[in-house]
Amino acid sequence: SQQGEEDPQALSIQEGENATMNCSYKTSINNLQWYRQNSGRGLVHLILIRSNEREKHSGRLRVTLDTSKKSSSLLITASRAADTASYFCATDGGGSYIPTFGRGTSLIVHP
Amino acid sequence: KAGVTQTPRYLIKTRGQQVTLSCSPISGHRSVSWYQQTPGQGLQFLFEYFSETQRNKGNFPGRFSGRQFSNSRSEMNVSTLELGDSALYLCASSLGLAGGDETQYFGPGTRLLVL
Repeated sequence: SQQGEEDPQALSIQEGENATMNCSYKTSINNLQWYRQNSGRGLVHLILIRSNEREKHSGRLRVTLDTSKKSSSLLITASRAADTASYFCATDGGGSYIPTFGRGTSLIVHP
Repeated sequence: KAGVTQTPRYLIKTRGQQVTLSCSPISGHRSVSWYQQTPGQGLQFLFEYFSETQRNKGNFPGRFSGRQFSNSRSEMNVSTLELGDSALYLCASSLGLAGGDETQYFGPGTRLLVL
């Protein structure tokens, strides 16, 4: 079963706009990671946030984590056409240590 | 440093056959994990190997098996293929065990089509 569930499933925006996608999970976690996947290829790691962190930045990426709500969000600022991809959150499965991915958000950035 | 490589990239098989997929991790990485990705089920964890030992296993039937060699290269085998096994099979490597705070580095995947 999926631990993380991304919302929305699909997002279409114009270049320069911000894109926000959310992830909800079911069990307690030690950390949560975000990945990007281009056109059914391999995933690329974007950022990791630990359970004791509330916010983390990396370039144009901003990730927040609310463990009380079991949710995380990924904000991409000033989107570019090259950001077009699917974005996945992945938890560590809590005590299972089995990486568990959500179904992903498909982002399309129109030039 | 070379990335994770997977061979073959594309494969067409018929029901009942078996298939072996190969994954070469990043040099120095000791963990190799396998995932199945389908439109319906998303990305699902198959198993993880670390130092030639299976450390974790997902909820897949015994037809799915794997192994890891002393050089950390890993193979995944699927026997008695079913139509539902058609998927993108992804391999990921990491320095330590996946599922902690290790970053996983993914290969490009092997796209398997079962006819």
